[in-house]
Amino acid sequence: DTAVSQTPKYLVTQMGNDKSIKCEQNLGHDTMYWYKQDSKKFLKIMFSYNNKELIINETVPNRFSPKSPDKAHLNLHINSLELGDSAVYFCASSQDASGNEQFFGPGTRLTVL
Amino acid sequence: EDQVTQSPEALRLQEGESSSLNCSYTVSGLRGLFWYRQDPGKGPEFLFTLYSAGEEKEKERLKATLTKKESFLHITAPKPEDSATYLCAVLYSGNTPLVFGKGTRLSVIA
Repeated sequence: DTAVSQTPKYLVTQMGNDKSIKCEQNLGHDTMYWYKQDSKKFLKIMFSYNNKELIINETVPNRFSPKSPDKAHLNLHINSLELGDSAVYFCASSQDASGNEQFFGPGTRLTVL
Repeated sequence: EDQVTQSPEALRLQEGESSSLNCSYTVSGLRGLFWYRQDPGKGPEFLFTLYSAGEEKEKERLKATLTKKESFLHITAPKPEDSATYLCAVLYSGNTPLVFGKGTRLSVIA
């Protein structure tokens, strides 16, 4: 009965490759998010979707493209991976776009070699 | 300039030794202040939301308080299982995202 799930948990890849991370929530929430947590553990918002529509798009390279096929899913596709993309990526969801209580997934640790 | 500052960066306590973590914010128009707990290798877990100065919330050995410029997370008689990184996050007015502090890494030694 996992609330927010992400796959894969670990992702190791070469520079220049394209990869995707998937996220699903079974809480019936309207809003989903992608966060990046760097090596210093600093957690920063990347994107937010509400009812499948993009509502927050922070300063993120165009190589990152989120896709929300439905309210329960928010996937993250990354093109031409760079060394600096290595981090832990967290998906989260909340009841609505007010930003209140967010539920986080277990994270995907991306390592770019 | 950081909008959310947490101190200390790391805190080491003996079991039973009470203490407080601090979260200060610099921008006006606060809509909500959130505390999360993050264990190694896991996602942040929601603890509390505070909306207005003077508000307090409690959960087991944790108590969160809020003033106009900062929030405190008080830990009373901590146990080793309270060891984790505690994250503070602030939601400002308007369509702005949640802004996280860098966290306080708490270690409770038996």
